[in-house]
Amino acid sequence: DTEVTQTPKHLVMGMTNKKSLKCEQHMGHRAMYWYKQKAKKPPELMFVYSYEKLSINESVPSRFSPECPNSSLLNLHLHALQPEDSALYLCASSQDSGGHYEQYFGPGTRLTVT
Amino acid sequence: GEDVEQSLFLSVREGDSSVINCTYTDSSSTYLYWYKQEPGAGLQLLTYIFSNMDMKQDQRLTVLLNKKDKHLSLRIADTQTGDSAIYFCATSMGGNTGKLIFGQGTTLQVKP
Repeated sequence: DTEVTQTPKHLVMGMTNKKSLKCEQHMGHRAMYWYKQKAKKPPELMFVYSYEKLSINESVPSRFSPECPNSSLLNLHLHALQPEDSALYLCASSQDSGGHYEQYFGPGTRLTVT
Repeated sequence: GEDVEQSLFLSVREGDSSVINCTYTDSSSTYLYWYKQEPGAGLQLLTYIFSNMDMKQDQRLTVLLNKKDKHLSLRIADTQTGDSAIYFCATSMGGNTGKLIFGQGTTLQVKP
């Protein structure tokens, strides 16, 4: 089973709202990732968690706040977003954080900021 | 830094073979991946190849790696309409970051 699940599937939020995206995997993977993908573009890495610790933050604005409550769960807390933050947010996981471990992606959350 | 390039569009007839090409700039790229993305969906890992290999075959998929030219290709035999999607190649230099460098993606259109 190589399934990564993400909720919600779609989210519409105003610029003053606070919302959270959730990601879950039960493959025993110890690395989890958040990516942002704009239409017709490749995914852009935002954050990497390794063994529940944040290991990479790709200079993401503080209005995006990741959290890894346990090894199976990854959240992305959103606050005061801008319309340009509208995108598909993808979660991925891998056995470990080395580049030789395949990353498995979830279906994504389609976020619209109004 | 690493740069990964792909042609943007490929159109083939159902039943033909498709060949999607990818070039990269950093010769220390150690792990190379192919992902498929259907409309409105996440990325599906199709296959991967390590830099110590020249070729990998998996059912209808064949990956060829030319390290000298830093060129990677994905061949899909007997292409079906269900293969219509965007295909991304991605490279990784190993290490412990897990950071993937993606190409821009090739849109494969399969005509019946």
